[in-house]
Amino acid sequence: DTAVSQTPKYLVTQMGNDKSIKCEQNLGHDTMYWYKQDSKKFLKIMFSYNNKELIINETVPNRFSPKSPDKAHLNLHINSLELGDSAVYFCASSQEVQGPSTDTQYFGPGTRLTVL
Amino acid sequence: GQQVMQIPQYQHVQEGEDFTTYCNSSTTLSNIQWYKQRPGGHPVFLIQLVKSGEVKKQKRLTFQFGEAKKNSSLHITATQTTDVGTYFCRTSNTGKLIFGQGTTLQVKP
Repeated sequence: DTAVSQTPKYLVTQMGNDKSIKCEQNLGHDTMYWYKQDSKKFLKIMFSYNNKELIINETVPNRFSPKSPDKAHLNLHINSLELGDSAVYFCASSQEVQGPSTDTQYFGPGTRLTVL
Repeated sequence: GQQVMQIPQYQHVQEGEDFTTYCNSSTTLSNIQWYKQRPGGHPVFLIQLVKSGEVKKQKRLTFQFGEAKKNSSLHITATQTTDVGTYFCRTSNTGKLIFGQGTTLQVKP
């Protein structure tokens, strides 16, 4: 019944490794997002996809690459992990009604990434 | 670019006291949304304000949008321990979604 799900919930890895986080939504929404939340709880948008097409790509290192195989899935792949990548990563989705600014976002439970 | 300043960053209150968090912008906002994130949880949508001077209520929560649409507030009357969490405002600028820095509320029973 989970609307937006993410796996894994926790991810502990060494610097330099490559890892992926998966996200799936069963709400039938057109738009999906990735956010990074740092230790001070600041939420920063990283990417946004609408119907499998990238529409927002904030200033994020190119080690981060989102992939959307279909509109229900948006995965995040991270290459060459660094200490500063440690954070909680949230996936979210929304249904475009009037535009992204008025759309309600539904967040996944988050993935806590720890880079050692 | 547009920024939204949210204050205070932290607030500790005794159960039963009131609480208010504010979001302020230097530019006019088209709309503002409020989200709540419980400790260890994820942000959950609370409400959206669109009209100038709009006031909406959800039980003990009162949301206001300023007349100039440059600020918004969330007020909780008689806080309870279930109100603990971080409250975020969210707006947008030229399609970019912007979250405030959040206000973390602690309630002492």
